[in-house]
Amino acid sequence: GESVGLHLPTLSVQEGDNSIINCAYSNSASDYFIWYKQESGKGPQFIIDIRSNMDKRQGQRVTVLLNKTVKHLSLQIAATQPGDSAVYFCAEFGRSGGSNYKLTFGKGTLLTVNP
Amino acid sequence: NAGVMQNPRHLVRRRGQEARLRCSPMKGHSHVYWYRQLPEEGLKFMVYLQKENIIDESGMPKERFSAEFPKEGPSILRIQQVVRGDSAAYFCASSRSPRGSDTQYFGPGTRLTVL
Repeated sequence: GESVGLHLPTLSVQEGDNSIINCAYSNSASDYFIWYKQESGKGPQFIIDIRSNMDKRQGQRVTVLLNKTVKHLSLQIAATQPGDSAVYFCAEFGRSGGSNYKLTFGKGTLLTVNP
Repeated sequence: NAGVMQNPRHLVRRRGQEARLRCSPMKGHSHVYWYRQLPEEGLKFMVYLQKENIIDESGMPKERFSAEFPKEGPSILRIQQVVRGDSAAYFCASSRSPRGSDTQYFGPGTRLTVL
């Protein structure tokens, strides 16, 4: 079946370094992709999204790259800060197997920033 | 402007009891979505509602689970005769426009524990 998954379940970086979180997806019909940040005990917080007709989008300290050829999505965080420590989820929006449109989440990557 | 609100934040029920989870969308949002999250997993779509209408309930278990979004008041996710496997975090999200055309913003979640 269609799925969204992550290559690395955990990532540990030093404060000030850049972080890269990767995600693989399998639904080639997805309309767009979203990265969410979830801190402990809280709901997912929208970070950035990218439409399927784009390959790069930049926000404040974050960049999302989309490679449709290999169905790969990545989130780059520049100058990582302790406040960036959280679980990061990629999610895809699209239809799968004739079903209705829905948001499908991957399992998440735990990012730990060491001071 | 308040975000998505959910209550209670924590709910403890014994097997066989009923659980009622409430969600108030962001001001101006008329589209509500419910998701379930098991420990160390991503969110799984359950149901999508507009005011007084269930649009997509393809992610809802066929028995014991129901959802509503009345004309007045919050959206309610109701779980009858809870079992231990229902223990999870339940998140509500809302959007201004129908899904696919607008970002979904999440509430803080209700953590249900079934004893």
